[in-house]
Amino acid sequence: GIQVEQSPPDLILQEGANSTLRCNFSDSVNNLQWFHQNPWGQLINLFYIPSGTKQNGRLSATTVATERYSLLYISSSQTTDSGVYFCADSGGGADGLTFGKGTHLIIQP
Amino acid sequence: DVKVTQSSRYLVKRTGEKVFLECVQDMDHENMFWYRQDPGLGLRLIYFSYDVKMKEKGDIPEGYSVSREKKERFSLILESASTNQTSMYLCASSSSDGYNSPLHFGNGTRLTVT
Repeated sequence: GIQVEQSPPDLILQEGANSTLRCNFSDSVNNLQWFHQNPWGQLINLFYIPSGTKQNGRLSATTVATERYSLLYISSSQTTDSGVYFCADSGGGADGLTFGKGTHLIIQP
Repeated sequence: DVKVTQSSRYLVKRTGEKVFLECVQDMDHENMFWYRQDPGLGLRLIYFSYDVKMKEKGDIPEGYSVSREKKERFSLILESASTNQTSMYLCASSSSDGYNSPLHFGNGTRLTVT
């Protein structure tokens, strides 16, 4: 199945900073999604982005499908942005999403 | 908004017990999934279903079974719970737009097997 690598694994920033999270995929992507898991464990779908660029408030994501990677941008970070960010894709199959190991983001006040 | 509801937030069971984890979604989604999440291992797919009475094995189905008798409900069954099944269990659903559409998760059930 598809392999998903996320970087960096950990990131500590001050409130107000910007950050870029990256996902690399071993196979072609067609169902790419970004999620945020808050400190209480709830997983929220941020973007469904198999290609192109999308923006939602301070968050935006870009997927370059031909090069098999995706980027998540967080601008003007707030403490509520803390948590773990996952990317996932099904790799062309229909067998559910394969997740990366996540980026653990801590935003300090 | 999509709502995926898992019946229990925390559950403690004894080794050997039969355990049922229930999941209900209210958006008429065709696809439903069960994942488990463990530190260092991330999220791993246990079972999934694309229709009523259909089920497919994921990456780690051993020790688990599932039931989907109604479209909105997908149950995960641990036939004989073991301590290595202590984990966070996450249910998710998506619509069947081809097979690509946003995945929505429930709040999770943290299961401890003693």
